Amino acid sequence: GAGVSQTPSNKVTEKGKYVELRCDPISGHTALYWYRQSLGQGPEFLIYFQGTGAADDSGLPNDRFFAVRPEGSVSTLKIQRTERGDSAVYLCASAGDRNTEAFFGQGTRLTVV
Amino acid sequence: QKEVEQNSGPLSVPEGAIASLNCTYSDRVSQSFFWYRQYSGKSPELIMSIYSNGDKEDGRFTAQLNKASQYVSLLIRDSQPSDSATYLCAVTNDYKLSFGAGTTVTVRA
Repeated sequence: GAGVSQTPSNKVTEKGKYVELRCDPISGHTALYWYRQSLGQGPEFLIYFQGTGAADDSGLPNDRFFAVRPEGSVSTLKIQRTERGDSAVYLCASAGDRNTEAFFGQGTRLTVV
Repeated sequence: QKEVEQNSGPLSVPEGAIASLNCTYSDRVSQSFFWYRQYSGKSPELIMSIYSNGDKEDGRFTAQLNKASQYVSLLIRDSQPSDSATYLCAVTNDYKLSFGAGTTVTVRA
């Protein structure tokens, strides 16, 4: 596709449930990032993929969060046992390579009730 | 110390004026520098990238980088109401793209 695509746009889930958020990067982009953004804050780094491997997952808040990118393209962010504090906008960005311009998807607004 | 710091704002400027946004970063070996614009309820949109010391102009936008001072700025000339948004400064070190909290700009007609 022409840009980064994230699905769903909005997700409301009950506390304790499992959710998956999907990111389809720009075709050919090897670098993929996940961020989380709360109201009034800048995007907070979660994880970076270079190809299929998670090169840096140091931003994942705890072991309830996990992300994969099995074929080096689409990525899925998985959150287990969701908590109300997980409510935020989850942003995905892709770049042609490290240190190059990164482009964001429209985000997934997650609300845990 | 935060990796990337920006003026807290908000910044209010009259239409037609220059808006000046500042950003400092802590990691001296940072390599690439970006400005993103984010409208309320939308995702960040890349508007400028700069990689070497000096100025880079693109239309009404000018980015300035001073690596010795670990400082990057964005000037918006002839500000328009459509420029009202939050501007995010972002910095990379190798691969990690770190963001400031953003500065909200309001252009009043």
